[in-house]
Amino acid sequence: SQELEQSPQSLIVQEGKNLTINCTSSKTLYGLYWYKQKYGEGLIFLMMLQKGGEEKSHEKITAKLDEKKQQSSLHITASQPSHAGIYLCGAALLHGSSNTGKLIFGQGTTLQVKP
Amino acid sequence: DGGITQSPKYLFRKEGQNVTLSCEQNLNHDAMYWYRQDPGQGLRLIYYSQIVNDFQKGDIAEGYSVSREKKESFPLTVTSAQKNPTAFYLCASSSLQRPLSEQFFGPGTRLTVL
Repeated sequence: SQELEQSPQSLIVQEGKNLTINCTSSKTLYGLYWYKQKYGEGLIFLMMLQKGGEEKSHEKITAKLDEKKQQSSLHITASQPSHAGIYLCGAALLHGSSNTGKLIFGQGTTLQVKP
Repeated sequence: DGGITQSPKYLFRKEGQNVTLSCEQNLNHDAMYWYRQDPGQGLRLIYYSQIVNDFQKGDIAEGYSVSREKKESFPLTVTSAQKNPTAFYLCASSSLQRPLSEQFFGPGTRLTVL
């Protein structure tokens, strides 16, 4: 089973509608990263959350990390065709006092926005 | 401009052949990573390296090999021992100087076994 579960796996929304993607872990997340990917391309970094209750926004995208640091949500307001793509969450793993830099990833959420 | 380059973008391989995927970064990052991406499975870590001349296996290292002779370069060889190599391969790098630094990704190489 996935250590990071994303939901939904896919999403089709009408342009202008709001949507939310969730990322859940059974373990405490030391750092939670959101990336966007166009099909056949590399990942583009969106935001990183570290503190419980933290919220960050960039343009029409808002990411939150819950107080327990086990769940994050990505919310898009007034979706546009340019928002279409695959959204992936990644979580940082820490070993003792050193950060290996390793991340584990959810399986991704594919978003389609209908004009 | 700083970034990560991967080559080639598309690669076709016959069964039984080894192939090497290139990954270069000019971000002066200490750490580099190789991932494999299959539809519906997200990214799985193959190998990673935190310093020159040292690397560690990730979750799916069998059938792959890497080297880290230079800080800027982290090539991945897909050997004939890899049973199902057709996939999209992504290289990434990150700084270890700042805790929880994000990973920067290359554009990817799509490998198809004929």
